Amino acid sequence: DAGVTQSPTHLIKTRGQQVTLRCSPKSGHDTVSWYQQALGQGPQFIFQYYEEEERQRGNFPDRFSGHQFPNYSSELNVNALLLGDSALYLCASTFLGLSYNEQFFGPGTRLTVL
Amino acid sequence: QKEVEQDPGPLSVPEGAIVSLNCTYSNSAFQYFMWYRQYSRKGPELLMYTYSSGNKEDGRFTAQVDKSSKYISLFIRDSQPSDSATYLCAIRMDSNYQLIWGAGTKLIIKP
Repeated sequence: DAGVTQSPTHLIKTRGQQVTLRCSPKSGHDTVSWYQQALGQGPQFIFQYYEEEERQRGNFPDRFSGHQFPNYSSELNVNALLLGDSALYLCASTFLGLSYNEQFFGPGTRLTVL
Repeated sequence: QKEVEQDPGPLSVPEGAIVSLNCTYSNSAFQYFMWYRQYSRKGPELLMYTYSSGNKEDGRFTAQVDKSSKYISLFIRDSQPSDSATYLCAIRMDSNYQLIWGAGTKLIIKP
C-alpha cells in the first residue's frame, strides 16, 4: 500500500501565476481533504471532497479550488498566487463510512511564491 | 481567542525523561481529540486519538482528555532521541470532519 501520495514535492512560482497540486488517496479511501501549513504553524483546513463534490470548506478565498476524480484522486488549484500562499500543502485521505475517520496524510507539496 | 492553544516550545528534555505535551480548547462541542507527530518536511502521522473524555494508552504514549477543563495531554514515557519532532494536537466535532489544529510543540530529546 503506497499510502497517500502527492506531487510535485516542491514547486516555485511567481506572484500572479496559477498552480495545480495533485493527490492520490490511500487505497480504499474515498474522501480527500486539503490543508495549508505555514512555517511554524498547524495545518489550516482548505476543503474536503467526497463523491466528486466539495463537501466542506474552510476560510479560504475562491482563488483556492479543487476537484475530485472518479478514482478518488484530487487536485488543488490556486489562482493569482500571492506571497502569502507560500506553505506546505497537505493532502489527507479517509474512508467516510467508518465511525472514526482517521485521516492519513501525504508528505505534502512545498510551494514557494516569489 | 484561537479555538486550540498549544505552546510552540521548543521543549528540550534528556533521553529517558517523561514528556508532557498539552493543548487547551475553547468549544465544548469538540468530541474527537488527536495527537499527530510531524518530522521536519514530512506530513503529520497519527499517534493517538480519543473520543470524548478519558485516557488511552499505546506503548510509551498516553493520551488524556479532560473535557471539564477543556484540556488534552500527551505523555511520552522513556523518551528517545527518535521522538524528537513536532507534536500537534487536533480536534473536531462529531458532525464536522474538519480538523482544528494547534500550532504544534517542537520536542527535542537530548541523548
